[in-house]
Amino acid sequence: ETGVTQSPTHLIKTRGQQVTLRCSSQSGHNTVSWYQQALGQGPQFIFQYYREEENGRGNFPPRFSGLQFPNYSSELNVNALELDDSALYLCASSFGTNPSTDTQYFGPGTRLTVL
Amino acid sequence: TQLLEQSPQFLSIQEGENLTVYCNSSSVFSSLQWYRQEPGEGPVLLVTVVTGGEVKKLKRLTFQFGDARKDSSLHITAAQPGDTGLYLCAGAPQGGSEKLVFGKGTKLTVNP
Repeated sequence: ETGVTQSPTHLIKTRGQQVTLRCSSQSGHNTVSWYQQALGQGPQFIFQYYREEENGRGNFPPRFSGLQFPNYSSELNVNALELDDSALYLCASSFGTNPSTDTQYFGPGTRLTVL
Repeated sequence: TQLLEQSPQFLSIQEGENLTVYCNSSSVFSSLQWYRQEPGEGPVLLVTVVTGGEVKKLKRLTFQFGDARKDSSLHITAAQPGDTGLYLCAGAPQGGSEKLVFGKGTKLTVNP
């Protein structure tokens, strides 16, 4: 039990649609990072938010966007869904932004299927 | 692009056996982390190693960071069915990047 929750657990969408995934971080954690984990792969970094500002982005197109709110919740939005967007989406919360010293606590993920 | 390669990709062993999982890169990392992920759950941090040559022990698990900080290994002694899961290594790239780079993972099955 990491104290990080994600909703929904599972989601099915069709190509071209838009989706919003939600994450609730541990209280007091200023940082949230989002990852995409395709089947049989390790998680890939999408972006990180620190105190409601984007603080780094991986190799994902602009149709992946996010928001972080003052109440320790955050969102991942994906527009114009493609079949390859089917994956487990993980959020991880941490106190700070240094991955070497600030433990990231992962939520259970949202399984997105794009048909 | 920093890549972390894990081997083996799959490992199926009997209870009581020992095993080693490897995580290799051509890049230098500030630190390396090992996670375990079970089906339907997110990864859970097992250990962080930050100093080249560092060895950390966690009960039956031994983690080592290479001298050059480019590789790491996880050794499990007397594996138990409860050790079954996906083991992921993740590195923090040198230079203070905020992102973690993950390997593809080693799927371990320990049969009773």
